[in-house]
Amino acid sequence: DTGVSQDPRHKITKRGQNVTFRCDPISEHNRLYWYRQTLGQGPEFLTYFQNEAQLEKSRLLSDRFSAERPKGSFSTLEIQRTEQGDSAMYLCASSLEMGIFPGELFFGEGSRLTVL
Amino acid sequence: QKEVEQDPGPLSVPEGAIVSLNCTYSNSAFQYFMWYRQYSRKGPELLMYTYSSGNKEDGRFTAQVDKSSKYISLFIRDSQPSDSATYLCAMSAGDKIIFGKGTRLHILP
Repeated sequence: DTGVSQDPRHKITKRGQNVTFRCDPISEHNRLYWYRQTLGQGPEFLTYFQNEAQLEKSRLLSDRFSAERPKGSFSTLEIQRTEQGDSAMYLCASSLEMGIFPGELFFGEGSRLTVL
Repeated sequence: QKEVEQDPGPLSVPEGAIVSLNCTYSNSAFQYFMWYRQYSRKGPELLMYTYSSGNKEDGRFTAQVDKSSKYISLFIRDSQPSDSATYLCAMSAGDKIIFGKGTRLHILP
């Protein structure tokens, strides 16, 4: 399968613990996005990378969230000192940037976080 | 006011009916307008996109954009039970893509 893969698919943790999610994009895609989705809501933009450079980070994202994309390949999203409000589906998407159009986003199946 | 507004539904229609899904937006800088479909427990997938105003047709799907009214629509003709999903409108003014809340659609056999 050459689609976007995310790991783990489901993470249950206790409040205050740190969690890390990994995303492996489609290999030739230069853009990688992280979104958060809660029940009944659309995906909420968190951050995105062009190759290894993090170009934008949502103002809604607290300092407890950090993302990296070393060498422009896979990406990790870490949440420190988790809170119950962090419970959500974390979606990763990749795309091939084509001029002005940001390109079709190819989403993974998501990593569901439950904070107890 | 959120940048993109979308009625969450749910919307239930009989098989074969024409479905109309809509979004409004506030950011006049948006240039690309997209519709994504999301099945339960899956990531969204792109249905179609439109640049600026106008219509675009792809099989049973038609997307319309009216920038003067800041209003976009997706029409589904001859709706099928397999069209039951959440439909997300999305827009971009650059690299960041902003999604609506999504409308849950049920096509009744």
